[in-house]
Amino acid sequence: QQQVKQSPQSLIVQKGGISIINCAYENTAFDYFPWYQQFPGKGPALLIAIRPDVSEKKEGRFTISFNKSAKQFSLHIMDSQPGDSATYFCAALSGGTSYGKLTFGQGTILTVHP
Amino acid sequence: EPEVTQTPSHQVTQMGQEVILRCVPISNHLYFYWYRQILGQKVEFLVSFYNNEISEKSEIFDDQFSVERPDGSNFTLKIRSTKLEDSAMYFCASRTGTGDTGELFFGEGSRLTVL
Repeated sequence: QQQVKQSPQSLIVQKGGISIINCAYENTAFDYFPWYQQFPGKGPALLIAIRPDVSEKKEGRFTISFNKSAKQFSLHIMDSQPGDSATYFCAALSGGTSYGKLTFGQGTILTVHP
Repeated sequence: EPEVTQTPSHQVTQMGQEVILRCVPISNHLYFYWYRQILGQKVEFLVSFYNNEISEKSEIFDDQFSVERPDGSNFTLKIRSTKLEDSAMYFCASRTGTGDTGELFFGEGSRLTVL
């Protein structure tokens, strides 16, 4: 029940295309859903996050879509650029004393070809 | 920009040896964490630390693991007797904890290789 399932494992997109990564969860206590971006040799860095009281959040080229009833959320990267090539992790967190205990998805390796 | 720093960046050790991984969290942060990532796998929670004590730990964090904040700045993870399966990238993270959005700031990681 604590799992967060992420797909696809890898994704290849042409420059300018749209990258879409999907995640699903089971634990309804999760109330914060961040996406992390990780470049080789670096730690994960927060990209964008959403709470379940909204269905969409957009920051620049990055958008999270959230479907509470389906317990799914996705990351859309518009106008994908070669610099976006990285591993992307979705995550989920429940509040209270578990604040900070992120449950991560398996990760998606995104490659954007020039 | 403030950042979480970790040392060493890479440590190679023999099975059964003790290892200490060090972290300097962002200075005004109150919550500290260790996560690990086995090569090619997802990032996994190990332990959270607040007010000088463990607030939560995962089943991975058994008696071989310990954490402490000895001097108010460093935050360390000790593995008493390393096993082959402890080989992983270990990430330290911190969070402000005061009216924040929950964002965790991760260090660049310490790669542990157990031979």
